[in-house]
Amino acid sequence: KNEVEQSPQNLTAQEGEFITINCSYSVGISALHWLQQHPGGGIVSLFMLSSGKKKHGRLIATINIQEKHSSLHITASHPRDSAVYICAVRSRRDTGNQFYFGTGTSLTVIP
Amino acid sequence: DAMVIQNPRYQVTQFGKPVTLSCSQTLNHNVMYWYQQKSSQAPKLLFHYYDKDFNNEADTPDNFQSRRPNTSFCFLDIRSPGLGDAAMYLCATSRDLVQPQHFGDGTRLSIL
Repeated sequence: KNEVEQSPQNLTAQEGEFITINCSYSVGISALHWLQQHPGGGIVSLFMLSSGKKKHGRLIATINIQEKHSSLHITASHPRDSAVYICAVRSRRDTGNQFYFGTGTSLTVIP
Repeated sequence: DAMVIQNPRYQVTQFGKPVTLSCSQTLNHNVMYWYQQKSSQAPKLLFHYYDKDFNNEADTPDNFQSRRPNTSFCFLDIRSPGLGDAAMYLCATSRDLVQPQHFGDGTRLSIL
């Protein structure tokens, strides 16, 4: 069983739709990252969260520590948002201080 | 301006021939990471340096080594590459272990 589970694995949306990608984890964490990977491999770190909510442009990330769950929302989606979105967590130092990755959500936004 | 620079973008080596991938940073970050990413999979952390302290992930094969001669540079050495080591290798940096990571563009390694 993976320590980090993402859903859905694949997502196709029409341009302008509101998109939600979910991430659940099973370890105690010190931080959770949302990463964006475009075809060709380049990775961009979108958010690093340890509590609450962060917003950057059309992207919003939330985390519920008690429920061990995070969501990444994209408002007014655009074809350039098409990418793989990866959730990664760093476990707490007292539980090993390791990095765990989800398998990613492949998003395609159709014009 | 690129802040985490990986060279080369593409590397081809022969089966069993040692290869070194390089990463440099202009951010003066304390932590440098090496990840391996195989096709259609999430990146897998191999190891990281916190300053000069080397931290190996438990399941990183002994075939993979790393060097960090100074703050700016970190190298990934693959001593005897096998066909299964063909992958994208990503370098990242962060100010601290719980700070956002900045990724390089990666080096795609092919094994002949």
